[in-house]
Parts: sequence; structure tokens; C-alpha cells
Amino acid sequence: DIVMTQAPLSLPVTPGEPASISCRSSQSLFDSDDGNTYVDWFLQKPGQSPHLLIYALSYRASGVPDRFSGSGSGTDFTLKISRVEAEDVGVYYCMQRIAFPITFGQGTRLEIK
Amino acid sequence: QVQLQQWGAGLLRPSETLSLTCAVYGASFSSYYWSWVRQAPGKGLEWIGEINHRGSSNQNPSLKSRVTISVDTSKNQFSLRLNSVTAADTATYYCVRDDTRTTGSFDIWGLGTRVIVSS
Repeated sequence: DIVMTQAPLSLPVTPGEPASISCRSSQSLFDSDDGNTYVDWFLQKPGQSPHLLIYALSYRASGVPDRFSGSGSGTDFTLKISRVEAEDVGVYYCMQRIAFPITFGQGTRLEIK
Repeated sequence: QVQLQQWGAGLLRPSETLSLTCAVYGASFSSYYWSWVRQAPGKGLEWIGEINHRGSSNQNPSLKSRVTISVDTSKNQFSLRLNSVTAADTATYYCVRDDTRTTGSFDIWGLGTRVIVSS
């Protein structure tokens, strides 16, 4: 199985400040056949189901604010929030879908200072 | 608007069979894969498996021997059965759309069904 490792596991952030979450995979998530990198990011707000933020490394899902961005390559990926807002609190997960079984990172809990 | 409505027994005894069903509204059932994901209390997300309208499925090897995912295209529903449950299967179970057409990812999630396994 591909192991997804996130850091940090807890992230206190002041509103208006940027935030960055790292995700590292045990194998490359780049598919040379189609040029896509199969890492996605989800946010699970308190008491809610997860929802999709970023797919295929850097594409924002429908309705996701442009303060969220995804980047990286190969085995190292980053989710960035340019200016954190109070509504961004929750647990962020990276996920790989280049190979079965689909696997998730452990999650990073973002909290407001 | 696409909605996933899920239901099933929330309290099981050890060794019983978990059975959940998810109904799909507002989406072309035959155009996507449909997945189950679970989350143990206070823990992360675990993919269980997926199925399409033809019944073609993939499952997590960690659960494969106990998991059956099935589909009823006449009702736009898919189901999960997990047999011989133990306390380790206590979790919230989500049904999820795998948007193979556009994002290629899990773009629609059900509200989740909390399942507790306890004697």
C-alpha cells in the first residue's frame, strides 16, 4: 500500500495568516501515461463529512475559494491557504488514487489561535 | 443537485454482519464509480472499496475477505456488507461518489452512518 504521511498533525494559525500542510507519499503519484499527479486534498469540518478541496495535485474543486492551492511533484505535496479564515478550521487529509487501495494521510488539524 | 442518502443498522454485536445501503439522487448512476469510506472514532479515513453500475468492483485488501459491495441499478442504490464484525469495525461509514468523469476524485459524500459494534 502507498503510505501517505502528513505534517504537521496540528496547526494553530492566526486569522489572516498563511498556512501550509505537507504530505509525502511512499511512492510517486505521477502517472507518466497521462501526465497527471494523483493526489487530492479534503477538508473535514467539525461534525461534517469530508469535502473535496483539490484534485489531481492542483485543481480546485467547484466552489473552493482561491485562497486554497495545491502544489508539489512526485512524492512531496503541499496544500497552502493564503489567508486563513475562521471557517477553515477542521482536519485536512491528503489522498492518493494512483493505485489501489486508495489511501489517506493521517490528517492535519487546523485550529484558530 | 446530487445527493447520497444512506441507511443501515447502527448497533451490532460482534460476529454479526454490517449492512448499509446508499441511494443516489440527481446523478447518472451509470456514469460513476461509487465508494465506501469509513472513519473510526477520532481517527482518519479508510477506503473500503468501490463499484460501478456493471458490478465491477475493487476492494481494500485489508477488508476484502469480509466485504461485499453490490449494486442495484433499478433503484440507483449500492450496498456494503461487512461480515464477522468486531469492535475494530466501529466507525462512521460514508458512501461517496467517485467522479471518474471530471475530477476523478471523491466529490460527493453522504452524511455518514455511525455503526457501533458492542456486546
